[in-house]
Amino acid sequence: DAGVIQSPRHEVTEMGQEVTLRCKPISGHDYLFWYRQTMMRGLELLIYFNNNVPIDDSGMPEDRFSAKMPNASFSTLKIQPSEPRDSAVYFCASGLRNTGELFFGEGSRLTVL
Amino acid sequence: AQTVTQSQPEMSVQEAETVTLSCTYDTSESNYYLFWYKQPPSRQMILVIRQEAYKQQNATENRFSVNFQKAAKSFSLKISDSQLGDTAMYFCAFMKQWGAQKLVFGQGTRLTINP
Repeated sequence: DAGVIQSPRHEVTEMGQEVTLRCKPISGHDYLFWYRQTMMRGLELLIYFNNNVPIDDSGMPEDRFSAKMPNASFSTLKIQPSEPRDSAVYFCASGLRNTGELFFGEGSRLTVL
Repeated sequence: AQTVTQSQPEMSVQEAETVTLSCTYDTSESNYYLFWYKQPPSRQMILVIRQEAYKQQNATENRFSVNFQKAAKSFSLKISDSQLGDTAMYFCAFMKQWGAQKLVFGQGTRLTINP
């Protein structure tokens, strides 16, 4: 398997624009997580899905953020409208229940000007 | 809720020395996993070592070993014969054993290995 695949690797956008980050989890995994990494806050969990269903979105900072998982092989994290304080690295990770293993993508670095 | 604390924001040692990174955590769970992840400048999150809480034996992976003290809720990482390639951010993380594979991370320790 190719591992967790994220796109884009880098995105630079202007304030107010819509940003969509994409993730393809490892085939067969039933959990998918979106994390955000910033210097100030470290690694924080935004939302996670189990079998494509959002389980806990309490980490989503505000209504400008939304995440979907329309099927087992694809998820998106959308920011609309984007703001400079959204600049961060966004990681997607997937795992299988009760295995104690989580696999990370390479992250998407977002810069909002 | 679980919390993970890394009290050393930065550390620096000479190549070939041994270095220990500290981590403490708080949980009411009895069964869980603890991890150390390495994040080099490439930003990839690389699993260094994993410890199951029910195992008394400390995990080891080549030059990397842990000192797991369950009662004290302490989980330190020892890197022996440090190499320049060990320079990275190191994150300690907690995961419940059952249910969601959700990781809770510490704030990280920036480790620099000097030639």
